[in-house]
Parts: sequence; C-alpha cells; structure tokens
Amino acid sequence: DTAVSQTPKYLVTQMGNDKSIKCEQNLGHDTMYWYKQDSKKFLKIMFSYNNKELIINETVPNRFSPKSPDKAHLNLHINSLELGDSAVYFCASSLTGTSLFFGPGTRLTVL
Amino acid sequence: GIQVEQSPPDLILQEGANSTLRCNFSDSVNNLQWFHQNPWGQLINLFYIPSGTKQNGRLSATTVATERYSLLYISSSQTTDSGVYFCATNSGNTPLVFGKGTRLSVIA
Repeated sequence: DTAVSQTPKYLVTQMGNDKSIKCEQNLGHDTMYWYKQDSKKFLKIMFSYNNKELIINETVPNRFSPKSPDKAHLNLHINSLELGDSAVYFCASSLTGTSLFFGPGTRLTVL
Repeated sequence: GIQVEQSPPDLILQEGANSTLRCNFSDSVNNLQWFHQNPWGQLINLFYIPSGTKQNGRLSATTVATERYSLLYISSSQTTDSGVYFCATNSGNTPLVFGKGTRLSVIA
C-alpha cells in the first residue's frame, strides 16, 4: 500500500522520559512534516523537511528534535517529556505545494 | 500570518440532508485544502483547490480566491460523513495554517 505510516500508534510514558516516533512515506514526496493536534483538535505545524533539509521550525521547545535520514523518513525524538506534551502527533508528506497526506497519528500520553 | 476561520463550528444533520461548510481566509493564498478527520482520528485529504470548483462523488468544493473564501458542499449526507472538517491554506512558502474545524454529526 502506498501511504504515510508512523509508529507507534500509541505511546504512554512517564514524565521525564525520552521517546521517539518514526515516520515513513512511500509516495515519492519531497517534503515531510510533523504536526501536533491538541485536545481541542487544533492542528499546528512543528517541523518541515524538504529533501532531508529542515525548512520550517516553528516555535517548538528544543526538547523536540526531528531527524530525516533520507527523503522517505522523518523521525521525531522528544527529550524530558512533560505533561503538556500529551497530544496526537501526525506525520505528513507532500510534493512541494500540492496535496498533503497524513499518517495515522501517534497518541502520546505523558503521566 | 494568515488567519483561517471556519463556520459553523458544529453542525448536526439528519441523514440525507445537504450542507455547506465555509472557510474564510485573511490573505491571498496559493494553496487551499480540505480535510476530513473521521471519528477514529484519521485525517483524509478531500480536495486541493486553490481556486475554482471540484467534485468528488457527493462532495464538492469551490474556492473564490479573490473574495478569500472556500466552500465545501456535502450532499445526501451519510453517517460516515461524521467527523471534523478542516480547511488549511498558506501563501508563498509559509506552512499550511489550519482552521479550527467544523464538527459534523450525521444522525440516522
């Protein structure tokens, strides 16, 4: 199946821990993104990579560090997790300036 | 940056009814997309429509860029249409800005 996939789907962890979320797309897109959706369903861009280069880095704590090993992968590492980090994190991809396709989301719960 | 406003915030429909969702934006844009988030959380791209009109089955969308709005039409609604509908837009190379969504509930 051609798609955007991300793992894990659910992540439950304690405050202070470090965790990673992985994302892969096989659509041949050149741009990948991380979005955060809060409890009120508001979607906000966090990062964007184009051909492995960081092009958008919104106001996000530096505890969040994206990494793109190649055009098809974009991972998100989060250090020292806080309660306020609880949210659904969506990976997405597109060809520059065209339709955006989302992964299934990772629901992160910090206890 | 661009402001995106969606209306109505909530909508309840009887199955079979038609509806129109609106998206207003504050600036000239070169990208306008509509998404559906189903009750399981999955975000599906419905339309990429920076201008003009497109149709896909019972759904159609129209963007009038000069007047800074877009409309999503849902005809003969079904319970599977329930969920949250988002519009998103940007200009130039800025990131897509999402509206707060319209929560649609279709009742059998």
